[in-house]
Amino acid sequence: DAKTTQPPSMDCAEGRAANLPCNHSTISGNEYVYWYRQIHSQGPQYIIHGLKNNETNEMASLIITEDRKSSTLILPHATLRDTAVYYCIVRVAYNNDMRFGAGTRLTVKP
Amino acid sequence: DGGITQSPKYLFRKEGQNVTLSCEQNLNHDAMYWYRQDPGQGLRLIYYSQIVNDFQKGDIAEGYSVSREKKESFPLTVTSAQKNPTAFYLCASSIGGPNTGELFFGEGSRLTVL
Repeated sequence: DAKTTQPPSMDCAEGRAANLPCNHSTISGNEYVYWYRQIHSQGPQYIIHGLKNNETNEMASLIITEDRKSSTLILPHATLRDTAVYYCIVRVAYNNDMRFGAGTRLTVKP
Repeated sequence: DGGITQSPKYLFRKEGQNVTLSCEQNLNHDAMYWYRQDPGQGLRLIYYSQIVNDFQKGDIAEGYSVSREKKESFPLTVTSAQKNPTAFYLCASSIGGPNTGELFFGEGSRLTVL
């Protein structure tokens, strides 16, 4: 599976968009990009996933570059409750092997 | 309610003792997982199972064992061979299949070795 690289930490002002980058330069054509977040000692929560196209749901948007070597998770209007560790994972279709990296610790500040 | 139940929530054990952490799900999911998390660190995969009677090692399987005799259950045994077992353990499940990497997590079990 492709490995991912994320910045260890980021800050964001409350009400502004939070843009969390992920590099997955060795991704293969059949590998999906998944995003999760973990709020202080709880189990991680699924946010969104995609293959090639940009995706949006009620929580966030996922922008995947055309060459698929990187992606950005966008929280459009960050709130204090979005403070968490965000994990970017690459997963092969039909393979249930899900490995989390160190993630990005996002701190939303008032 | 559908979900994943882990027990116990907190567990203390003496060095040299084996301990088994329970994970039960009623979501009818095929795949189940065990992760370990150390303070300030990300999750590391211990074992996962895609179907009953089958499981694969993750990154840190040494010192751990699992079984998957029933679809609903995926217990993890932390053996005395695990050198540093004090950690937070998370169990998860997913439907499995091609486009469903959405994992549902339990609340975790915190193991402390005295």
